Amino acid sequence: GAGVSQSPRYKVAKRGQDVALRCDPISGHVSLFWYQQALGQGPEFLTYFQNEAQLDKSGLPSDRFFAERPEGSVSTLKIQRTQQEDSAVYLCASASGGATGELFFGEGSRLTVL
Amino acid sequence: GENVEQHPSTLSVQEGDSAVIKCTYSDSASNYFPWYKQELGKGPQLIIDIRSNVGEKKDQRIAVTLNKTAKHFSLHITETQPEDSAVYFCAASIVNQFYFGTGTSLTVIP
Repeated sequence: GAGVSQSPRYKVAKRGQDVALRCDPISGHVSLFWYQQALGQGPEFLTYFQNEAQLDKSGLPSDRFFAERPEGSVSTLKIQRTQQEDSAVYLCASASGGATGELFFGEGSRLTVL
Repeated sequence: GENVEQHPSTLSVQEGDSAVIKCTYSDSASNYFPWYKQELGKGPQLIIDIRSNVGEKKDQRIAVTLNKTAKHFSLHITETQPEDSAVYFCAASIVNQFYFGTGTSLTVIP
């Protein structure tokens, strides 16, 4: 596709459920980032991939959060045993190079944990 | 780590007036400073960026200035139009991370 695609756009989960959020980056983009955006806040870094290698996962808030990009293209962010504080918009962004060039964001996946 | 502060959090201007949003950063190693515009229900979109070796950059009605000594940078929008209404985020980049400000909700009143 022409842009970064994320699915699902909206997800409602009961506390304790596992969720998986998918990101299709722009074709050929080497770098992929996941961000968490709480209501009224700026995006907060979660993790960064260069191709299939997860180079930085320092922003993942707990071991319930896991991200992968096995073939260097599509990425999945998985949240296990969801908690109410996990409710946020999860943004995926890709870039042709590293973090000194334009980030192209998807429209986000809004997660609501009840 | 890097800390980016952004002011004001909300800004209302009359159509045709100018809008200025200011950001400060803490880590002198940050070397790339983009500005993003986010419309409701959409992801942020880059509108302008500046690198640490440049003091000012302009693109039509939008300009960004960078003061490395003071560690602050600003977004200037001139001749504002209703379609400029959105949330604007500044960011500072270091290594492979972007650190975003908390956003400014700009409303342009027709």
